[in-house]
Amino acid sequence: GESVGLHLPTLSVQEGDNSIINCAYSNSASDYFIWYKQESGKGPQFIIDIRSNMDKRQGQRVTVLLNKTVKHLSLQIAATQPGDSAVYFCAENPPVGGSEKLVFGKGTKLTVNP
Amino acid sequence: GAGVSQTPSNKVTEKGKYVELRCDPISGHTALYWYRQSLGQGPEFLIYFQGTGAADDSGLPNDRFFAVRPEGSVSTLKIQRTERGDSAVYLCASSPTHSNQPQHFGDGTRLSIL
Repeated sequence: GESVGLHLPTLSVQEGDNSIINCAYSNSASDYFIWYKQESGKGPQFIIDIRSNMDKRQGQRVTVLLNKTVKHLSLQIAATQPGDSAVYFCAENPPVGGSEKLVFGKGTKLTVNP
Repeated sequence: GAGVSQTPSNKVTEKGKYVELRCDPISGHTALYWYRQSLGQGPEFLIYFQGTGAADDSGLPNDRFFAVRPEGSVSTLKIQRTERGDSAVYLCASSPTHSNQPQHFGDGTRLSIL
């Protein structure tokens, strides 16, 4: 899931399988991380977030794991469905001057095959 | 609806023209953000408001870009002397406070400069 150049990394899974989307973040001091799902022609949709004082957080069918040692974030989707097909972005909030801006990765395109 | 609303959804204009893009945040959200997204890329931060004031405008690319939020609710992003490189989707997001809360996005304005 780590971005390389201008081409989106892609992940193709079968319906019902579990999906894991990975992300490497850049700032070791970032204290807040968030995953978004973006469908074509739509804005990013919030999925789940996690603060740096946690290493795991679970939602409905989704789990986010944070490994601060290697600056790695992952999103696990259980029992993936065709409606999960979209581009997934991770984002971090680096502690720069108290700004709440998010810095996004380039995304991973998830395709779920029926 | 109760989400972030952006108008227009599409804007086509000629190089050199002036454009205004509008964002209506979720009611009661004090923080408002503008991002720009090019094809195949993640959103890039432009500016962030806390109430009426711009708390961080470090992402504005040059002085042709300006944003206001005079009453702490609706915001307008203004671009003067547009250039073809300004073509992108301009996204707006809002959050309840400025303290590690999820940002909720609108569907954006697709700006095309001919």
